[in-house]
Amino acid sequence: EPEVTQTPSHQVTQMGQEVILRCVPISNHLYFYWYRQILGQKVEFLVSFYNNEISEKSEIFDDQFSVERPDGSNFTLKIRSTKLEDSAMYFCASSIADTDTQYFGPGTRLTVL
Amino acid sequence: ILNVEQSPQSLHVQEGDSTNFTCSFPSSNFYALHWYRWETAKSPEALFVMTLNGDEKKKGRISATLNTKEGYSYLYIKGSQPEDSATYLCGISSGSARQLTFGSGTQLTVLP
Repeated sequence: EPEVTQTPSHQVTQMGQEVILRCVPISNHLYFYWYRQILGQKVEFLVSFYNNEISEKSEIFDDQFSVERPDGSNFTLKIRSTKLEDSAMYFCASSIADTDTQYFGPGTRLTVL
Repeated sequence: ILNVEQSPQSLHVQEGDSTNFTCSFPSSNFYALHWYRWETAKSPEALFVMTLNGDEKKKGRISATLNTKEGYSYLYIKGSQPEDSATYLCGISSGSARQLTFGSGTQLTVLP
């Protein structure tokens, strides 16, 4: 069964460094999402991406964040200058239509020191 | 800000017991409700997507109902098994991109 994959599973970085989190969505899906969960808090929406552009973003998704779909398969989240409060599990999700089920990857645990 | 509440926060049941938990949400600005089953270190697994008031869906021993007028959904597990132990997450899709707003989840532990 097709699944969303994410790499790396765990990323440790120093404050101020750039990180890129990678996702391979399900191949025929058209809508892509990033969510995150800070330890002990709810899973929260960051950004959605459709037709090669951001369709919606939350207040969290400020100028330090960017997303890209550089080729037909990968979907990346970049944090330009990481802060301690960016430490969280980051989940990628994809769906075939915005009205359909969103399929989640296993997440990348980002630790900012 | 959309507020999605789930109760209880955690639940311990004996194998064979049936159980249920609740997701509450504001009935305005509702598009669809999604239930997920989430085991530690794995991807959240989609269970149901429900849109219509009065919807009932079933997958094996798990079923769900939806009341959009009063803003709640129930998830039922019949004859719980240890492998049902997981966090059950409810999310409401809204907004132009149908992004999900999640509750805190109900952590279910089924004791053998």
